[in-house]
Amino acid sequence: QVRLEESGPGLVNPSGTLSLTCHVSGDYIDRSDSFWGWVRQPPGRGLEWVGSIYHSGESHYKPSLRSRVTLSVDTSRNQFSLKLTSVTAADTAVYYCARHRAPEQWLSFGWFDPWGQGTQVTVSS
Amino acid sequence: QPLLTQPPSASGTPGQRVTISCSGSSSNIGSNSVSWYQHLPGTAPRLLIFSNSVRPSGVPDRFSGSQSGTSASLTISGLQSEDEADYYCAAWDDSLSGFCAFGGGTKLTVL
Repeated sequence: QVRLEESGPGLVNPSGTLSLTCHVSGDYIDRSDSFWGWVRQPPGRGLEWVGSIYHSGESHYKPSLRSRVTLSVDTSRNQFSLKLTSVTAADTAVYYCARHRAPEQWLSFGWFDPWGQGTQVTVSS
Repeated sequence: QPLLTQPPSASGTPGQRVTISCSGSSSNIGSNSVSWYQHLPGTAPRLLIFSNSVRPSGVPDRFSGSQSGTSASLTISGLQSEDEADYYCAAWDDSLSGFCAFGGGTKLTVL
């Protein structure tokens, strides 16, 4: 059974850097038909895609976050990570990691399954 | 404002059929596949439908999806109390070098 688990600080200072890691078990992060993504949910709002990365390092980001976000992948540890810089209260959210299935590596036909349980990140001093 | 438009709420009584719409444009639903998710607060979102209408194993056949032009819909037949949740559509958008767009979500209440 594939399992994804997020880890990282639950509290980040304003203007600081949010760093999260997602460990994947029961699957290989270098499988050819999947990217690995991050989705967040701010309080009282809907789901919002942050970005997705392929094991080769190819990455795609939400346009409005592109200047602040970096995804990376560590195939030896079967995990991938998110860094979001210059955070503000607007970045407070539950952050989920998920396998972003992409047949033939076409994200146009992609979907997210499975998902991690999510981790709450609060930006506050 | 989400690129994919969903009604903020929907409701039905047990046994009824409910349809949730997702309206987009030629750069997302009109040219790419739609997926649907069920989300209960405090839990991991659950994939219900991918590739517009394909149901993963383990998802009851009460859930079905369709797509036409720049719109998609999720239909729940034989509504059950445990279906009360938030539902989201998602699709890739080809503009701005490409990105994934989620709908704003629809809160389904089972009366």
